[in-house]
Amino acid sequence: DTAVSQTPKYLVTQMGNDKSIKCEQNLGHDTMYWYKQDSKKFLKIMFSYNNKELIINETVPNRFSPKSPDKAHLNLHINSLELGDSAVYFCASSQVLYSGNTIYFGEGSWLTVV
Amino acid sequence: DQQVKQNSPSLSVQEGRISILNCDYTNSMFDYFLWYKKYPAEGPTFLISISSIKDKNEDGRFTVFLNKSAKHLSLHIVPSQPGDSAVYFCAASAKGNDMRFGAGTRLTVKP
Repeated sequence: DTAVSQTPKYLVTQMGNDKSIKCEQNLGHDTMYWYKQDSKKFLKIMFSYNNKELIINETVPNRFSPKSPDKAHLNLHINSLELGDSAVYFCASSQVLYSGNTIYFGEGSWLTVV
Repeated sequence: DQQVKQNSPSLSVQEGRISILNCDYTNSMFDYFLWYKKYPAEGPTFLISISSIKDKNEDGRFTVFLNKSAKHLSLHIVPSQPGDSAVYFCAASAKGNDMRFGAGTRLTVKP
């Protein structure tokens, strides 16, 4: 009964490939996010969706495209992968957008681009 | 622009002693602060939070202190236990805006 689940957990792929990471939450939350933990260990927001609509889109290359088929899912597609995309990607959800509520994170997806 | 900073990448304490993790922020608009705990190969999990109208919030062994004038908050764990060994992330948000995280502090509690 995992609250926020993301797949795959580990992904090793070659430069130039296109890959997707899937995320699902069963908490009934309205808002979902993608975070990237970079090499310096900072957790940085990439995207935020509220009721399937894009709310926050930080400065992320166009190669990254989130897709939210419904409120419970937010998938991350990455085209033309580059070495610098290697990171841990965390999906998360919250009841509302940041208004003092806590965020529930998935376990992370370790992406390695070789 | 790292608006939330955890200047100590690691901290080691003896079991039973106090652990103090520090966090500084630069954005005076932040009004909600949280601490997350992260074990290896897992996502961060919420630990404790504090609103800017308070200067202290306690939950069992965990206490968060907020000093708004210094733009500083700290997490105290008393007494520290080996199971507390993890990475602790400080986070802050301003109403209606996204949350900013620090880089984390790795706490090791030695038996």
